[in-house]
Amino acid sequence: QVQLQQSGPGLVRPSQTLSLTCAISGDSVSSDSAAWNWIRQSPSRGLEWLGRTYYRSRWYNDYALSVKSRISINPDTSKNQFSLQLNSVTPEDTAVYYCARGASYQMLRFDYWGQGTLVTVSS
Amino acid sequence: AIQLTQSPSSLSASVGGRVTITCRASQGISSALAWYQQKPGKAPKLLISDASSLESGVPSRFSGSGSGTDFTLTINSLQPEDFATYYCQQFNSVPPSFGGGTKVEIK
Repeated sequence: QVQLQQSGPGLVRPSQTLSLTCAISGDSVSSDSAAWNWIRQSPSRGLEWLGRTYYRSRWYNDYALSVKSRISINPDTSKNQFSLQLNSVTPEDTAVYYCARGASYQMLRFDYWGQGTLVTVSS
Repeated sequence: AIQLTQSPSSLSASVGGRVTITCRASQGISSALAWYQQKPGKAPKLLISDASSLESGVPSRFSGSGSGTDFTLTINSLQPEDFATYYCQQFNSVPPSFGGGTKVEIK
């Protein structure tokens, strides 16, 4: 059974960097049949995919255009986890952030999710 | 990016009743559509993949159909634990996208 455990602060100051980590058990961040995603949810934007990292002989990343200039998703193979960094945050980045495993066709079907982290951007 | 339009945005139904939710894609996505159930304070839960394939452990009262641009989620014999918000999601291409959600409430 795959489990994803999120960690990170719930409050971030405007213009600072949002950082979250997702620890994986029951699978490997280096799996050649999965991708590791970050998704957020807010009342104004609904469910919004932010990006993913995956390994296919080398590491790849895909990012949503809306955050592409500010986002970084990185694997940590030594700890079997992956992280999200979102720079220069504003109150519009306030949301519940989820990590999720992507599988199946295009590795974009999200079959396991973390518990969610409410991140508030406020001074 | 592919847009998904769900309808209705909310509905009221009785225990034992039947519910139908539709999801329309802005362009063809073959059968690369998933349905999720979300309860307050929880992460979405994958119910159906490939438009009509029930995930392991999901009750058979849930069913999905459709291909191309038009999809349907049906819940037969609605149970108290089914009152939740339901989302469709396309996984045909990057970026994946979600519908706006349908909140199913008790009548």
